[in-house]
Amino acid sequence: LAKTTQPISMDSYEGQEVNITCSHNNIATNDYITWYQQFPSQGPRFIIQGYKTKVTNEVASLFIPADRKSSTLSLPRVSLSDTAVYYCLDSNYQLIWGAGTKLIIKP
Amino acid sequence: NAGVTQTPKFQVLKTGQSMTLQCAQDMNHNSMYWYRQDPGMGLRLIYYSASEGTTDKGEVPNGYNVSRLNKREFSLRLESAAPSQTSVYFCASSETWGFQETQYFGPGTRLLVL
Repeated sequence: LAKTTQPISMDSYEGQEVNITCSHNNIATNDYITWYQQFPSQGPRFIIQGYKTKVTNEVASLFIPADRKSSTLSLPRVSLSDTAVYYCLDSNYQLIWGAGTKLIIKP
Repeated sequence: NAGVTQTPKFQVLKTGQSMTLQCAQDMNHNSMYWYRQDPGMGLRLIYYSASEGTTDKGEVPNGYNVSRLNKREFSLRLESAAPSQTSVYFCASSETWGFQETQYFGPGTRLLVL
């Protein structure tokens, strides 16, 4: 199965840029990478999706290098409200969720 | 638009009792899903419905049944609840069944089985 691997937890401070990496060594040609955000006591929410190179929206940027074996979610100038769990999914196996990365933003 | 709604928000059951979790979406989506999430874990797929009239097992279907009542509604039934089914249950929907389809989630149902 083309599962993904990401750090269990990360800390950062308000105003900093946060980069969360995800490894997907077995990604297939047609697969996309999708990131979701989950706050405590809520369902996950879509953040961004990409195939390769760089995608940017109003919330985040997603960098996927040419070999597509990894990706990096970039959150610019984080605030306390960005404290959440972030999930990286291989869209071909979008129904398989790992434990995600618990991001804690400190004041 | 309410998006994806789930009822109830919270439920306590005794071992052996049955209950049905309700889910509805108002986005005219074709595909719907039921997940469970245990503390500190990611989501695990219980059942899904790629389109109206079809349902399929996910990763952890044992102890559950589902009904795709119509395009809007997808219910999850626990016939004989067990403590191991204590979890948070999320319903989700997506426009179609496809590799890059975005899933939209409900607020969850917190279930405690004593």
